[in-house]
Amino acid sequence: DQQVKQNSPSLSVQEGRISILNCDYTNSMFDYFLWYKKYPAEGPTFLISISSIKDKNEDGRFTVFLNKSAKHLSLHIVPSQPGDSAVYFCAASARGNTPLVFGKGTRLSVIA
Amino acid sequence: DARVTQTPRDKVTEMGQEVTMRCQPILGHNTVFWYRQTMMQGLELLAYFRNRAPLDDSGMPKDRFSAEMPDATLATLKIQPSEPRDSAVYFCASGSNSGTGIRLDYGYTFGSGTRLTVV
Repeated sequence: DQQVKQNSPSLSVQEGRISILNCDYTNSMFDYFLWYKKYPAEGPTFLISISSIKDKNEDGRFTVFLNKSAKHLSLHIVPSQPGDSAVYFCAASARGNTPLVFGKGTRLSVIA
Repeated sequence: DARVTQTPRDKVTEMGQEVTMRCQPILGHNTVFWYRQTMMQGLELLAYFRNRAPLDDSGMPKDRFSAEMPDATLATLKIQPSEPRDSAVYFCASGSNSGTGIRLDYGYTFGSGTRLTVV
């Protein structure tokens, strides 16, 4: 059973608009959440993270929102750029002492 | 710029052959992970080590897969015998755990992966 779920395999957005990628989790022990970005033929690279003591973390064009009661997080990219086209993975951990559990990823295409 | 180095980059082999994938973690990182990416499962954990000791290998088929860390600069993942269903991209990642948990404010660092094709 998938503990981290990304229910949208793909998303297409116009350049300059907002991209919203969603992630749900089932394990209530998870208290740290990360987003990774992956280009073809490369390994995933860390993008942004959030601890369960926060509900929002912002880094430039990227903002992650956490709704603990709904066990849901989302990644907002504003404004979206063609270079953001990649696969985005949501991941979670319990107190940093357990390996990251990843979702299946969402492929974002930003159209110029 | 510190990197996790994986070799080979691509491997095509015949069913039944032994395959060895290698990983050089970032110097100073004491935790090493092996993940596999498939279309169906996404990124799934196969095994991981802390201070070279295996902590969990429940994600990999024990009868054919083995993971080791002969020293702090090398982690290996072997498949013997290989099967077509093993075809996937295998990633190594490393991180630093001081004993109170991995520094997750910057995540693990992943290598570029080994793309394995078993025919």
